[in-house]
Amino acid sequence: TQLLEQSPQFLSIQEGENLTVYCNSSSVFSSLQWYRQEPGEGPVLLVTVVTGGEVKKLKRLTFQFGDARKDSSLHITAAQPGDTGLYLCAGNSGTYKYIFGTGTRLKVLA
Amino acid sequence: NAGVTQTPKFRILKIGQSMTLQCTQDMNHNYMYWYRQDPGMGLKLIYYSVGAGITDKGEVPNGYNVSRSTTEDFPLRLELAAPSQTSVYFCATGTGDSPLHFGNGTRLTVT
Repeated sequence: TQLLEQSPQFLSIQEGENLTVYCNSSSVFSSLQWYRQEPGEGPVLLVTVVTGGEVKKLKRLTFQFGDARKDSSLHITAAQPGDTGLYLCAGNSGTYKYIFGTGTRLKVLA
Repeated sequence: NAGVTQTPKFRILKIGQSMTLQCTQDMNHNYMYWYRQDPGMGLKLIYYSVGAGITDKGEVPNGYNVSRSTTEDFPLRLELAAPSQTSVYFCATGTGDSPLHFGNGTRLTVT
């Protein structure tokens, strides 16, 4: 059974602080996606990483895929209240059966 | 452009009742998925389909059934509702490597 564990589960920080969210598995994924979900809505894609060691940047968000393609991280620089939400990683093992992580709920206080 | 449409938005069921959650897409995507999300948690895959006539189990298929007779529709059936099935259900579509497109969810309560 493939499992994606995210840490931390909850995070409450002040505006302007930096943070890192981790997504770890014992399984290898051909690609990994990060989503953000607002209350009452479905998840919305932030980024897809495919190559081991790949780093992608989206404004203040930096995503990294582990060399072995078993883990990933999301780093937010200078967090803003608009970053508040549930962050989810999702892995594709190559069969397009997307498994989601346990989620990290972020709250950024003004 | 509707994208992924889920109906109903809300539903309350009594224990033992049955219902079908509808999911329709107009994106011509081959891949369709059903997930459930418990409060504050990630999504758990119930069933998925790689094309019309093909379905497969996900992580938590017990108590659910699906069918995929057309590309557009992927209904999820609950035969004997149980309180453990209280959750928010999301339908999603994709082309394989592309991002998943989600509907807005169906909030189900079983009492």
